[in-house]
Amino acid sequence: QQPVQSPQAVILREGEDAVINCSSSKALYSVHWYRQKHGEAPVFLMILLKGGEQKGHEKISASFNEKKQQSSLYLTASQLSYSGTYFCGTEFGGKEGNQFYFGTGTSLTVIP
Amino acid sequence: GAGVSQSPRYKVAKRGQDVALRCDPISGHVSLFWYQQALGQGPEFLTYFQNEAQLDKSGLPSDRFFAERPEGSVSTLKIQRTQQEDSAVYLCASSVWTGASYEQYFGPGTRLTVT
Repeated sequence: QQPVQSPQAVILREGEDAVINCSSSKALYSVHWYRQKHGEAPVFLMILLKGGEQKGHEKISASFNEKKQQSSLYLTASQLSYSGTYFCGTEFGGKEGNQFYFGTGTSLTVIP
Repeated sequence: GAGVSQSPRYKVAKRGQDVALRCDPISGHVSLFWYQQALGQGPEFLTYFQNEAQLDKSGLPSDRFFAERPEGSVSTLKIQRTQQEDSAVYLCASSVWTGASYEQYFGPGTRLTVT
């Protein structure tokens, strides 16, 4: 039930763009995105709900395609502070609504 | 305002010892989650509370793991007879309902090392 993320790791130069994908084998109620820096707790970025919405947060935005059970996180004009591991998180609703599954993670490194 | 706090931040236990990990959620947050995060992995769901009710404990790996939140605020995760495979960071998150879903705010975690 754990969502699968791709790529596993990516290295960017400052100012470059990146896309991180999150796929689930089960129908999703919502998708959350978190960033975790080494030795720190995950930090909430955004939630996307059913309906194919797209949201933005500074230069980070995301989309949710419920038909394909996928979400993508878009990082534009990356900054050094974007480095960290990005996790999608999913909840399935219904009987499984109380459980929350984090994805496999994507390590993002931004270099000068 | 104050965020989620956890104590202790670090705990070293000898195999077979019992440990208790504490989580103080953000005031007013009804929901509370516990996760286990092994090195290099994502957090894995352990259990979920809504107020004092433990609505889901399906992620607890064995009956040695027990969680409680008796007054709907502070929560304790207890691990009995610790084993080496219990070594991990234990994260607590409290959440606020946004009207359609919830946002989780994580504490700094407790790093448990079982020797």
